[in-house]
Amino acid sequence: DTEVTQTPKHLVMGMTNKKSLKCEQHMGHRAMYWYKQKAKKPPELMFVYSYEKLSINESVPSRFSPECPNSSLLNLHLHALQPEDSALYLCASSQNFYGVGSYNEQFFGPGTRLTVL
Amino acid sequence: AQKVTQAQTEISVVEKEDVTLDCVYETRDTTYYLFWYKQPPSGELVFLIRRNSFDEQNEISGRYSWNFQKSTSSFNFTITASQVVDSAVYFCALRLGDQAGTALIFGKGTTLSVSS
Repeated sequence: DTEVTQTPKHLVMGMTNKKSLKCEQHMGHRAMYWYKQKAKKPPELMFVYSYEKLSINESVPSRFSPECPNSSLLNLHLHALQPEDSALYLCASSQNFYGVGSYNEQFFGPGTRLTVL
Repeated sequence: AQKVTQAQTEISVVEKEDVTLDCVYETRDTTYYLFWYKQPPSGELVFLIRRNSFDEQNEISGRYSWNFQKSTSSFNFTITASQVVDSAVYFCALRLGDQAGTALIFGKGTTLSVSS
């Protein structure tokens, strides 16, 4: 299984709603990532989990709250979002090897297209 | 500072033409990894090829080939005999160091349109 799955595919929410994005992989990867991508822009890193622990938070507003319940799952909890948060949210996973030659290439899911009204 | 530059914003070709996508990177690290990803209109980023800073051997994989030159800090990607299904945005990306869990530094992307 070389797939990263994300649910839902599309999400429309109001600024007062609470919702969650889900990501799952069964490749045995121990690093998982959340990216945000605006139209016609490259993805921007939000969070990185390494061995189920948050290792990088790229100064993301607290209205985005990540969670890694186990090595296969990654959630992104959303609360009180703003219209400018509308974007494609991509989850990725990679192996977590160390040493020269450890490519640890990231495999991406199909994304969740989020619209905040 | 680390940076990836894709100078070509958009490229249009006719089917069966060969097309080369340019990528220039900047880093002072001696250990780094380079990748190309494809993003079709559906949105999913698809990993295509990779190269590390210690291996300048160029390769061919099917219709894809890549030319990595440390002397010019370039990692160019060529599609031979392009097809309509190759139409997508292509991103070149750089990752530093030996550890996973570090950010991919993306270029701004090149939109490739292949017409029949």
